[in-house]
Amino acid sequence: EPEVTQTPSHQVTQMGQEVILRCVPISNHLYFYWYRQILGQKVEFLVSFYNNEISEKSEIFDDQFSVERPDGSNFTLKIRSTKLEDSAMYFCASSRDDTGNTIYFGEGSWLTVV
Amino acid sequence: GNSVTQMEGPVTLSEEAFLTINCTYTATGYPSLFWYVQYPGEGLQLLLKATKADDKGSNKGFEATYRKETTSFHLEKGSVQVSDSAVYFCALLANQAGTALIFGKGTTLSVSS
Repeated sequence: EPEVTQTPSHQVTQMGQEVILRCVPISNHLYFYWYRQILGQKVEFLVSFYNNEISEKSEIFDDQFSVERPDGSNFTLKIRSTKLEDSAMYFCASSRDDTGNTIYFGEGSWLTVV
Repeated sequence: GNSVTQMEGPVTLSEEAFLTINCTYTATGYPSLFWYVQYPGEGLQLLLKATKADDKGSNKGFEATYRKETTSFHLEKGSVQVSDSAVYFCALLANQAGTALIFGKGTTLSVSS
């Protein structure tokens, strides 16, 4: 079964450093997403990406964050100048359409900011 | 705004027990409703869904019925197995409000033999 893969599975970074989380969506999918889950809290939507541009973003997704699809297979989330409160599990997801019916999630990247 | 509330865990059951995990939602319009499951060490997987009132989603022995009158989508299973141990997330997609799934906090289920 096709799957979304994410790297790294766990990253520890110093406060103020930049982090790039990587994702390889399912190959024939057109919509790409990032979600995050702070420990003990809800899974929160960050951003969706379609046709090489951001199609929707939450208020969490401020200038500290950016996404990119640098080639035909990868989808990255960059977090600049990390803060302690950025520590969370970050989930990448992809889908063929935007109905929510076919969203596939990766296993997550656990980011710890110290 | 749109939101999902699900029961606090952990839920601890013996094998073959009946499971209910409560989920209620607040949304404008007519959202689609989902249950996702996360097994240890894996990503979120769609378990079942319902797209309109009175629809019943079902998969792997799990069921949930979209109840508009009570704004609920409770997850049930008649006889749980040890392999059902996982974290269960209720979610909604507000169909008139973009592509963002709105999740509950998740409920951890632990089933012992």
